[in-house]
Amino acid sequence: EVQLVESGGGLVQPGGSLRLSCAASGITLTTYTMNWVRQAPGKGLEWVSAISGGGGNTYYADSVKGRFTISRDNSKNTLYLQLNSLRAEDTAVYYCAKDYSNACFDYWGQGTLVTVSS
Amino acid sequence: DIQMTQSPSTLSASVGDRVTITCRASQTISTWLAWYQQKPGKAPKLLMYKASTLESGVPSRFSGSGSGTEFTLTISSLQPDDFATYYCQQYKSYALTFGGGTKVEIK
Repeated sequence: EVQLVESGGGLVQPGGSLRLSCAASGITLTTYTMNWVRQAPGKGLEWVSAISGGGGNTYYADSVKGRFTISRDNSKNTLYLQLNSLRAEDTAVYYCAKDYSNACFDYWGQGTLVTVSS
Repeated sequence: DIQMTQSPSTLSASVGDRVTITCRASQTISTWLAWYQQKPGKAPKLLMYKASTLESGVPSRFSGSGSGTEFTLTISSLQPDDFATYYCQQYKSYALTFGGGTKVEIK
């Protein structure tokens, strides 16, 4: 059974940093493109970033480019998202999601809440 | 980026109703379109991919159609478990983008 478990969310001040983790079981992350998708409170879904199975290709939404970095630790089978220079508009639940059929998402984690506020 | 526009944003319907949600892409995406269902406090659930392919385990009352820029999700007979918010998503190219969502409410 595929399980994705996010952690690392919390309250951070504007301009601060946070690292989110997504521990995977039931799959090997190097086999799939993995993604981060976020949802601001009461709002819709926004794709944030993706990393290819081989790790050689990364993709970012314009809203986070230059501030967020996606990465993976193959030995831990864990996906990461480093969030720097955080803004109030980055406040959201962050989900990791497994790629399916060329970039839609069939498995999602439960999400981790990031709140950016002073 | 490809913009995805869903309509309506809210839909009030009764159990047993036929419901149709529309999604429009700002440029052609062939059939690289997925539909998701999300309930409050939960992660989205994949319903449909390649515009009209039903994900395993999803009831057959859900169907999808369209290609190019116009797509629809239809629920043939709305059930109590179907009251939720639905999102379309294009995966023709990065940046991947979602529609704004359609909330299906009880009438």
